[in-house]
Amino acid sequence: DTGVSQNPRHKITKRGQNVTFRCDPISEHNRLYWYRQTLGQGPEFLTYFQNEAQLEKSRLLSDRFSAERPKGSFSTLEIQRTEQGDSAMYLCASAGNTEAFFGQGTRLTVV
Amino acid sequence: RKEVEQDPGPFNVPEGATVAFNCTYSNSASQSFFWYRQDCRKEPKLLMSVYSSGNEDGRFTAQLNRASQYISLLIRDSKLSDSATYLCVVNPGANNLFFGTGTRLTVIP
Repeated sequence: DTGVSQNPRHKITKRGQNVTFRCDPISEHNRLYWYRQTLGQGPEFLTYFQNEAQLEKSRLLSDRFSAERPKGSFSTLEIQRTEQGDSAMYLCASAGNTEAFFGQGTRLTVV
Repeated sequence: RKEVEQDPGPFNVPEGATVAFNCTYSNSASQSFFWYRQDCRKEPKLLMSVYSSGNEDGRFTAQLNRASQYISLLIRDSKLSDSATYLCVVNPGANNLFFGTGTRLTVIP
C-alpha cells in the first residue's frame, strides 16, 4: 500500500451517465496526477495539480472531463455524459520532491 | 513525436538470463527519469530512479545517456518474479511525468 487511496475501485455505468472518482494522496505530497490506462498501453497523462492549482491539462481531456483539488488535498475527476470509449483504468499518483506513487486505480466500465 | 518511446516487446527470457531495455525521450531538457514496474491489472510501482551517474540496486542497473537521449534498465540473473511490464517515465520539466507504453518481460522456467 503506497498510501494513495482511490475510490471507488470499480465503477460500471450506463452510457450517458456522469461519474466521479476520488483520489486521496499521501498527505505531505503537493503534486497530484491523473492518468488513464487502457489494456496494453502505458498510462496516458490527463492532468496535474500542484497544491490546488491545475497546472497542466492534456488535450485528451475533453470538455466532458473535469478535475478539481479544492483544498490542495484530495482530488476528484468527473466524466460527464460517459461514452464507451471512456472505459479504462483511471490512475491517480501523488509526489513530493521526486518520485510519484500510485493508487490502485478506479476501473471504469461504460455499458 | 511521443515524449517517451519504448519497445513494447514482449521479451521472453530464460531464468538466469540478463535482459536490457531501452527507452528514448524527445525533450532534451528533461530533468528526471524513472523506471516503474507494473504487474497485470495492478498499479505501476516505482522500481528505481535514474541518476546521471547511473544507479544500481541489486540485480537492477539503470543508466542515463543524455547525449543520445535514452535511458536503460538492465536486469541480471532474471527470476520468474521479474515477469511484468516495465515502464519508462520522464519528467520533461515543470514536474510533469510522461510514461512510455511499457516493455513486457516474461521470464521462462
